[in-house]
Amino acid sequence: EVQLVESGGGLVQPGRSLRLSCAASGFTFDDYAMHWVRQPPGKGLEWVSGISWNSYTIVYADSVKGRFTISRDNAKNSLYLQMNGLRADDTALYYCIGRDCTNGACKYAFDVWGQGTMVTVSS
Amino acid sequence: DIQLTQSPSFLSASVGDRVTITCRASQGISSYLAWYQQKPGKAPKLLIYAASTLQSGVPSRFSGSGSGTEFTLTISSLQPEDFATYCCQQLNSYPYTFGQGTKLEIK
Repeated sequence: EVQLVESGGGLVQPGRSLRLSCAASGFTFDDYAMHWVRQPPGKGLEWVSGISWNSYTIVYADSVKGRFTISRDNAKNSLYLQMNGLRADDTALYYCIGRDCTNGACKYAFDVWGQGTMVTVSS
Repeated sequence: DIQLTQSPSFLSASVGDRVTITCRASQGISSYLAWYQQKPGKAPKLLIYAASTLQSGVPSRFSGSGSGTEFTLTISSLQPEDFATYCCQQLNSYPYTFGQGTKLEIK
């Protein structure tokens, strides 16, 4: 079964750090680019960051650039998001997502979604 | 950044109805558009990619069309399980943006 399972969310004070993890199973992890997307409570989806299969290409939304760092470990089938300098507007459900890039041709969609991990930034 | 505007934001319809949701991009995105369905408390589910390609396992009553700046998602005959929020996403250029969503409710 294709699966992404996020962990690491929780309640954190403004200015502090948190590290999210995502464990992948059921598919060839290094055939996939990986992304993080977040959804504030009751609101729409916001793309946060993405990383290519070999980590050569890394991109961030302007809203998190300089504060968040995405990384992956293909040997462990895992994706990470290090979040520093957290702010109240970072409060959201964070989804780990896989994008099929088999044979170097990426599908124009996000195929595989985890169930999300909630991050709440509050004093 | 490319902005995506969906219309309508809310839609009330009955089982068996044909419904169409529109997604307009602020600049041309070729066919690099996807549609997702999201139910309360669940992650989004991919329905359509590359504007018109049905994702494996998605019922054929769902279809997508369009290119450039205007796209549509059509559900040919609404089923009870289709009442949900629908969202478009552009993958033409970073940042990959999403539409604000269309909530489809039972009339």
